[in-house]
Amino acid sequence: AQSVTQLGSHVSVSEGALVLLRCNYSSSVPPYLFWYVQYPNQGLQLLLKYTSAATLVKGINGFEAEFKKSETSFHLTKPSAHMSDAAEYFCAVSANSGYALNFGKGTSLLVTP
Amino acid sequence: DAGVTQSPTHLIKTRGQQVTLRCSPISGHKSVSWYQQVLGQGPQFIFQYYEKEERGRGNFPDRFSARQFPNYSSELNVNALLLGDSALYLCASSLELAPYNEQFFGPGTRLTVL
Repeated sequence: AQSVTQLGSHVSVSEGALVLLRCNYSSSVPPYLFWYVQYPNQGLQLLLKYTSAATLVKGINGFEAEFKKSETSFHLTKPSAHMSDAAEYFCAVSANSGYALNFGKGTSLLVTP
Repeated sequence: DAGVTQSPTHLIKTRGQQVTLRCSPISGHKSVSWYQQVLGQGPQFIFQYYEKEERGRGNFPDRFSARQFPNYSSELNVNALLLGDSALYLCASSLELAPYNEQFFGPGTRLTVL
């Protein structure tokens, strides 16, 4: 079964600091991986996705992620955090069954002034 | 263009009751999926429909059912509600049925079971 594990349920960074949110995947075949963001009382918005075209994927709002097969990782980074980045972030993998998404438990990002 | 819409926004039910949640996908999208998000957790897959046929089902009891209509809108039904069914129910649509397709999420329906 394809699944993802997000390390750290809460991450706190200072405004302007590097953001690093960790995601490891478990898949027997090359996976399709996604990062979504959820702001309070809203649905999920896609930040970026990996579809094997390139290992370094650039997304919206200055986020990017690097697919590392040797480490089975797909960590999300942003060079400089903004207050508006405070939200819940979910890593997900496309499952075999109907291509639905298997989500991690999420990481809550707090940005302090 | 309008995004995925869901109704109602909030719903309060009592144990044992039945509930119907509705979803309208983005125009042109043929696939609709339903997810349950319990507070503090990631969304859990419930159903996926494509061209009005069920294409995937998550690990949920038979009290959960869904259908997709000819206009690609969808309904999720939950019977015999339990307290544990309290959650945010998310609907997502995608253009086609493919593992690399982006799924666009609606704002969700917040269900509270008392």
